[in-house]
Amino acid sequence: EDKVVQSPLSLVVHEGDTVTLNCSYEVTNFRSLLWYKQEKKAPTFLFMLTSSGIEKKSGRLSSILDKKELFSILNITATQTGDSAVYLCAVASSSGTYKYIFGTGTRLKVLA
Amino acid sequence: NAGVTQTPKFQVLKTGQSMTLQCAQDMNHNSMYWYRQDPGMGLRLIYYSASEGTTDKGEVPNGYNVSRLNKREFSLRLESAAPSQTSVYFCASSLWASGYNEQFFGPGTRLTVL
Repeated sequence: EDKVVQSPLSLVVHEGDTVTLNCSYEVTNFRSLLWYKQEKKAPTFLFMLTSSGIEKKSGRLSSILDKKELFSILNITATQTGDSAVYLCAVASSSGTYKYIFGTGTRLKVLA
Repeated sequence: NAGVTQTPKFQVLKTGQSMTLQCAQDMNHNSMYWYRQDPGMGLRLIYYSASEGTTDKGEVPNGYNVSRLNKREFSLRLESAAPSQTSVYFCASSLWASGYNEQFFGPGTRLTVL
């Protein structure tokens, strides 16, 4: 059965801290891994990773994929209160039928 | 450019009632999706439409039907609502259903079935 597991489930840090969020997966016919940020409403896209070892970076956020060990990490440096959200990891696979499999998310709270 | 829009934002139904959730996108995307999100369960795919004129079941299709009305619009219908369908419903779209395109999500519909 395909699955995506995120850890930790929740995390509380102080402003300025660096956090690492984890996403491991077991899926057939891997296509891509995506990270989303979800505040009160709709998830918003952060990164899409398709190749191992190539870091994607956007400001204080960065992510990397390891297709051999089947995981990805999302790093956030110098955290701010605006980073408080649920971070979702999703894996796209195509094995007969198309699908995206989402993890349950990591809830991050950044304290001032 | 509104992106993905959904109506209604909130809805309360009684068991057995029916309703249709509407979704539209103005990004000229070919693929559209319906998800439900429940506490501790993540997002689960209900149905998707890889292109206009096609629809396919996702992970949790029972109790739902969909219609891809045209390239812009994709509706989700609950024929006889049950309390187990209480959830937040998100519509999403992507350029293609290839697994190599990010999905853009609508603001969600919070549905309560009593």
